[in-house]
Amino acid sequence: DQQVKQNSPSLSVQEGRISILNCDYTNSMFDYFLWYKKYPAEGPTFLISISSIKDKNEDGRFTVFLNKSAKHLSLHIVPSQPGDSAVYFCAAKAMNRDDKIIFGKGTRLHILP
Amino acid sequence: KAGVTQTPRYLIKTRGQQVTLSCSPISGHRSVSWYQQTPGQGLQFLFEYFSETQRNKGNFPGRFSGRQFSNSRSEMNVSTLELGDSALYLCASSLGQGNVLTFGAGSRLTVL
Repeated sequence: DQQVKQNSPSLSVQEGRISILNCDYTNSMFDYFLWYKKYPAEGPTFLISISSIKDKNEDGRFTVFLNKSAKHLSLHIVPSQPGDSAVYFCAAKAMNRDDKIIFGKGTRLHILP
Repeated sequence: KAGVTQTPRYLIKTRGQQVTLSCSPISGHRSVSWYQQTPGQGLQFLFEYFSETQRNKGNFPGRFSGRQFSNSRSEMNVSTLELGDSALYLCASSLGQGNVLTFGAGSRLTVL
């Protein structure tokens, strides 16, 4: 079963506008969440993370919001730039357990000129 | 600091053959994880090694195996290849469990 779900396979956003990528999870043991970005022919690169003790984490144009009660997190990119066109993976982990990082299926973001 | 190195980058095999993929982690990283990426399935966890011990395993058949050496380098092996094994195999390293993963560029396997 899919413990980390990214229900939008793709998303198109105008350059300069806000991109919002969503992620839902089912495992209540998850307490650490990450976003990775992947370009074709490259491995995923770490973007930003958030611990369950926080509900928001910001790094430049990237902000991740966590809603624990809804088991939902989102990545906001403001403003969107052409180089942001990539596949974005949401990932989750239970930090207090000897467990692996689980990834979603990814959302392909297209930034339109 | 060199990144995670995976070899080979591309390879083509036929059904029934076996393949070995190699991963050299970032110097000092003792944990190595392997993931399979296929279209529409995202990154599916294969296994994780730490200090030469398999610490976690995903839901893949026994045809998929791996190991880690004392220098933290890791290999994964797929025996009796099937068409569905065609995928990008990604290796990632980290300092220890719970840390952020740093991925290599992957080994793209095509099974004909």
